[in-house]
Amino acid sequence: QAVVTQEPSLTVSPGGTVTLTCGSSTGAVTSGHYPYWFQQKPGQAPRTLIYDTSNRHSWTPARFSGSLLGGKAALTLSGAQPEDEADYYCLFSYGGTVIFGGGTRLTVL
Amino acid sequence: EVQLVESGGGLVQPGGSLTLSCAVSGVPFSGYWMNWVRQAPGKGLEWVANIIGDGSEKHYVDSVKGRFTISRDNGKNSLYLQMNSLRAEDTAVYYCLGAGPVGWGQGTLVTVSS
Repeated sequence: QAVVTQEPSLTVSPGGTVTLTCGSSTGAVTSGHYPYWFQQKPGQAPRTLIYDTSNRHSWTPARFSGSLLGGKAALTLSGAQPEDEADYYCLFSYGGTVIFGGGTRLTVL
Repeated sequence: EVQLVESGGGLVQPGGSLTLSCAVSGVPFSGYWMNWVRQAPGKGLEWVANIIGDGSEKHYVDSVKGRFTISRDNGKNSLYLQMNSLRAEDTAVYYCLGAGPVGWGQGTLVTVSS
């Protein structure tokens, strides 16, 4: 079974830019893995930020963008806000089965 | 507005059964893959199972194969998870997650304990 790897924690300054990445143990991530990105704040359900690599959900602020970068899926936050402090999870599809990454705790400080 | 509302969680003894439901509105339900995802207390997200729009294809994480069954009723815009032979390690908040722009429900807590 594949393993999906995320940075355990990252810190970004208010107004700064940070890139979260998500790699696959099976090799380079492609659009065929249909990468998703989710945000979860304490005590809340997760919510979808990005689906199918780069599509924003209707409520996703424009400062979040998804891409493929160096063989990984990437979530870039440009102009971080205090409310962006949260856990971020990625997800890949492997021919029908799905695997989540372990999550990245993003601190805005 | 898209809404997903789970129900059916609760306290069940080890070896028991429970059926979760997820009612979906605001999207053409039959057009989307649907998933069940769980989160144990203090842990990350774990995918449990998914089902294609017409119900003809299903997939499960290894730890629930043979015990859990995912299904859907497109006429009722609803997703289900039948859970049998429950174990303590199945204790979690269970979420339904729709593909693409559908999104997440608010979750329902399943506690397996004697």
